[in-house]
Amino acid sequence: EPEVTQTPSHQVTQMGQEVILRCVPISNHLYFYWYRQILGQKVEFLVSFYNNEISEKSEIFDDQFSVERPDGSNFTLKIRSTKLEDSAMYFCASRGGPGRDNEQFFGPGTRLTVL
Amino acid sequence: AQSVTQLDSQVPVFEEAPVELRCNYSSSVSVYLFWYVQYPNQGLQLLLKYLSGSTLVESINGFEAEFNKSQTSFHLRKPSVHISDTAEYFCAVSDRETSGSRLTFGEGTQLTVNP
Repeated sequence: EPEVTQTPSHQVTQMGQEVILRCVPISNHLYFYWYRQILGQKVEFLVSFYNNEISEKSEIFDDQFSVERPDGSNFTLKIRSTKLEDSAMYFCASRGGPGRDNEQFFGPGTRLTVL
Repeated sequence: AQSVTQLDSQVPVFEEAPVELRCNYSSSVSVYLFWYVQYPNQGLQLLLKYLSGSTLVESINGFEAEFNKSQTSFHLRKPSVHISDTAEYFCAVSDRETSGSRLTFGEGTQLTVNP
């Protein structure tokens, strides 16, 4: 069964450093998402991406964040200058195209720890 | 905008007892409804979804949820739980009218099944 994969599973970084979180969505999906979950809190939407551009972003997704689909298979989330409060589990998700099943498939997550 | 309220943050039950996890939502537009499950140190897995049709939806492992439009609820039930059902359960909604729209999650309910 196809699945969403994410690397690395755990990333430790120093405050102020740049990190790139990587995701490989399901191959024929067209919508891509990033969510985060701070420890003990609910899952929060960050950004959605469709047709090679951001379709929606939340207030969390400020100028420190960016997304990219560099090669048609990977979908990346970059945090330019990490803060302590960026420590969280980051989930990538993907979904089929318009008119297809509305289910979003989630990856296993990347745990980001900012020291 | 949508919001989701899960009324119980923790639900402890004994094995083979019935359980209900409550979910209410608020939205100015029609929504799709989902329940996701998160086992310890794992990602989010779709448990069941309501898109249209019958208001009672079932999962393969014995859970069911009923969409009640008048009460804006989507409570999750299981008549007899197992130890292996111990997990965090998240209710989520997405905008039916916007293709590829974000998921909005509730705070989650920790279900703990005791022997």
